[in-house]
Amino acid sequence: DAKTTQPPSMDCAEGRAANLPCNHSTISGNEYVYWYRQIHSQGPQYIIHGLKNNETNEMASLIITEDRKSSTLILPHATLRDTAVYYCIVRLGTYKYIFGTGTRLKVLA
Amino acid sequence: GAVVSQHPSWVICKSGTSVKIECRSLDFQATTMFWYRQFPKQSLMLMATSNEGSKATYEQGVEKDKFLINHASLTLSTLTVTSAHPEDSSFYICSARRTAAYEQYFGPGTRLTVT
Repeated sequence: DAKTTQPPSMDCAEGRAANLPCNHSTISGNEYVYWYRQIHSQGPQYIIHGLKNNETNEMASLIITEDRKSSTLILPHATLRDTAVYYCIVRLGTYKYIFGTGTRLKVLA
Repeated sequence: GAVVSQHPSWVICKSGTSVKIECRSLDFQATTMFWYRQFPKQSLMLMATSNEGSKATYEQGVEKDKFLINHASLTLSTLTVTSAHPEDSSFYICSARRTAAYEQYFGPGTRLTVT
């Protein structure tokens, strides 16, 4: 499975867009990129996923570069409740997720 | 939709006893369920993958005789920690994948403390 690399921590001002990067330079053509977040002492929450096209849902947008070696999760208007650890995961057809260390996002009032 | 529950949410047990944790998919059928373990300030580590009606597949380094997994129906998987020791104290999280889909939905986790 492809490995992901994320910055360990980021801060974002409340109301501003939070842009969380992820590198997955060894990704294969049929591997999807998934984003989850984990709020303290809870199970991870699904956010969004994509293969090669940009995706948007009610929670976030996912921008995947043309070479698919990196992606960015965008929270358009961050709130204090978005403070969490965000995980970028690459999945292959076995359905297994291998979690990296994630990015600890702190939204500041 | 896609709600996964776990029971209990926390448990304290004495060293040497066994503890069972239940994972249920409440509004969908889960062909595959996964069990993870998370130590404080660390990421989730996959322990095993279970498919309904078949034996679980354990990740390297996870003792299958210590962590018994049963996936008897499309909505229920159980993890039994046998002969628990203090080093088994951790946050145990399950997830479920619905049939014909790929994303996993996670339960709220079970905090196990072994004294």
